Amino acid sequence: DTGVSQDPRHKITKRGQNVTFRCDPISEHNRLYWYRQTLGQGPEFLTYFQNEAQLEKSRLLSDRFSAERPKGSFSTLEIQRTEQGDSAMYLCASSGPGTLGDTQYFGPGTRLTVL
Amino acid sequence: AQKVTQAQTEISVVEKEDVTLDCVYETRDTTYYLFWYKQPPSGELVFLIRRNSFDEQNEISGRYSWNFQKSTSSFNFTITASQVVDSAVYFCALSEALIQGAQKLVFGQGTRLTINP
Repeated sequence: DTGVSQDPRHKITKRGQNVTFRCDPISEHNRLYWYRQTLGQGPEFLTYFQNEAQLEKSRLLSDRFSAERPKGSFSTLEIQRTEQGDSAMYLCASSGPGTLGDTQYFGPGTRLTVL
Repeated sequence: AQKVTQAQTEISVVEKEDVTLDCVYETRDTTYYLFWYKQPPSGELVFLIRRNSFDEQNEISGRYSWNFQKSTSSFNFTITASQVVDSAVYFCALSEALIQGAQKLVFGQGTRLTINP
């Protein structure tokens, strides 16, 4: 298995621009999560998909953020009108179907810098 | 709400020393899961261990061992005979239930471990 992949690994953008990140989960995993990690902090939950359904969103996910998972495979996270406060590492994780406690496996992350 | 505290922000030791990373958690759930992840400089979070709340047995995996004590709400991680490759940021995390059996992870702030040669 190739693990969780994310693209791009790094993104530098100017304030006000839109950016989109992609996450490809482990192929047999039906659960997909997005987290955000700022410098010196632990990751914070943003949103969760089970198959193609977005079932949970954090209050951290403002109206400028949108996530999709068409067909229950890869997922995209879009940030519109980026702000300097959006600069962070965006991490994607996936986990397999199962009971509570299934382990989440993380991708390498996309590091966003907003100038 | 769930909370994880890693009071040690940074630890620096000399190679071959043993080192313990502390993790204290808060939860009102009776069933929960605890995790440790390693984040090397490359940035990817690497899963190390998962422990459920009903299993208080300590676990050993090579140079790594974990001590889960429900009475003190702690889940500490010890590296024996540390090596330079162990240098990384280590995160302790606690599960918080979402709908339909899924969970999100609540992370501590992490402990930056530096092993000096």
